[in-house]
Parts: sequence; structure tokens; C-alpha cells
Amino acid sequence: DIEMTQSPSSLSASVGDRVTISCRASQSINSYLNWYQQKPGKAPKLLIYAASSLFSGVPSRFSGGGSGTDFTLTISSLQPEDFATYYCQQSYSGPKTFGQGTKLDIK
Amino acid sequence: QVQLVQSGAEVKKPGASVKVSCKASGYTFISYGISWVRQAPGQGPEWMGRISPYNDNTNYAQKFQGRVTMIADTSTRTAYMELGSLRSDDTAVYYCTRDHSPDSTSSAFWGQGTLVTVSS
Repeated sequence: DIEMTQSPSSLSASVGDRVTISCRASQSINSYLNWYQQKPGKAPKLLIYAASSLFSGVPSRFSGGGSGTDFTLTISSLQPEDFATYYCQQSYSGPKTFGQGTKLDIK
Repeated sequence: QVQLVQSGAEVKKPGASVKVSCKASGYTFISYGISWVRQAPGQGPEWMGRISPYNDNTNYAQKFQGRVTMIADTSTRTAYMELGSLRSDDTAVYYCTRDHSPDSTSSAFWGQGTLVTVSS
């Protein structure tokens, strides 16, 4: 199985900050990388698919980059509603594994 | 709009089976795959498998092979996930999800989740 490793595991930031979350795959996954946002008690929501494509309705302050094994999710200017847990997921092969998550909270 | 509505919470004893349903609306059911993802308390999501309602092809995570069955009923636009030989560590919220597009298996739409509790 492809292992997905996110860093950091947790992150404190302020409204207006620019933040970047990293995700590394244990082998090349081309651009088959998705990013999700999850708030407590809710289902995850798709933000980014195919590494850098913004899902419909997602604010443009979210962006994704990378290919192969190294990927990033960037939020250009944090808004209060962005404080949540973020997960990467590979959809390249085998079980579609998720990273362990990055919890973003208010500094 | 796309909606996935799941069945209600279940409490099961170890060794039993559970069957969760997921009724789809707002799109052409056979055109998009349905995946099942579970999330244990305090843990990240875990992908269990996917079914194509178009041809009933299934792809299960090896971890669940032999214990899980996924079905898509095109007449009622409902997907089902049955998990057998339940253990306490199967306690989780189970989600059905719909593929983003016919060419992309990212989970674009999610059901509300079904809590399955396994306890003696």
C-alpha cells in the first residue's frame, strides 16, 4: 500500500496568515492527489483534486501543488472558517490511502 | 443537487454483520462510482473500497477482503455496504462517497455518515 505522510501534524496560525501543509507519498503517484477539509462532527469536504484543481465552490485562497511524491496545500489568507483538519489522499493505485491529518487551529 | 442519504446508526455485537445503505439523488446513478470510507473515533479516514454501479465492478481494500460486500441497486439508486465478523475496532462512522467524475475517483460528495458501534 502507498503510505501518505503529512507535515506538520498540527499548526497554529492567525486570521490572515498564509499557511502551507505538506504531503509526501511513499512512491510516485503522478498527480493523483486530493485534499479534504474536515470540521468536527462533519464529513470531509473535497477541496483540491488532481493535485492542483480546485473543486467547484471552493474559495480561490486554497491552492494545491506538486507531483510525483511531494505535494502542498496552501491557504493564501486564513479565514475564521478555515480552522479545521486537513487530509491528503492518493487515488493512484491500491487502497486509496489518506494521510494522518493536519489540525489547523487558531493561535 | 447531488445528495447521498445514509441509513441510521447501528449497534451490533462482536461477530455480527451490519449493512449500511446510501440513497443517491440529483445525478445519473450509473455514471459515477461509489466508495465507502470509515473513520474511527479520533482517527483519520480509511478507504474501504469502491463499486461501479455501471457494471458492478468492485475494488476492496485488502484489509477488508472476505469481510465486506458492496452492492449497487440501480432500480432504487441505492448503494449498500455490508461488513461481517464485526470486532470492537470496527466501531466507526461509515461514509459513502461519490466520485468527482467518471475519470476521477476523488470523493467529491459525501453522505452524512452512519455510526456503527460494536459492543458486547
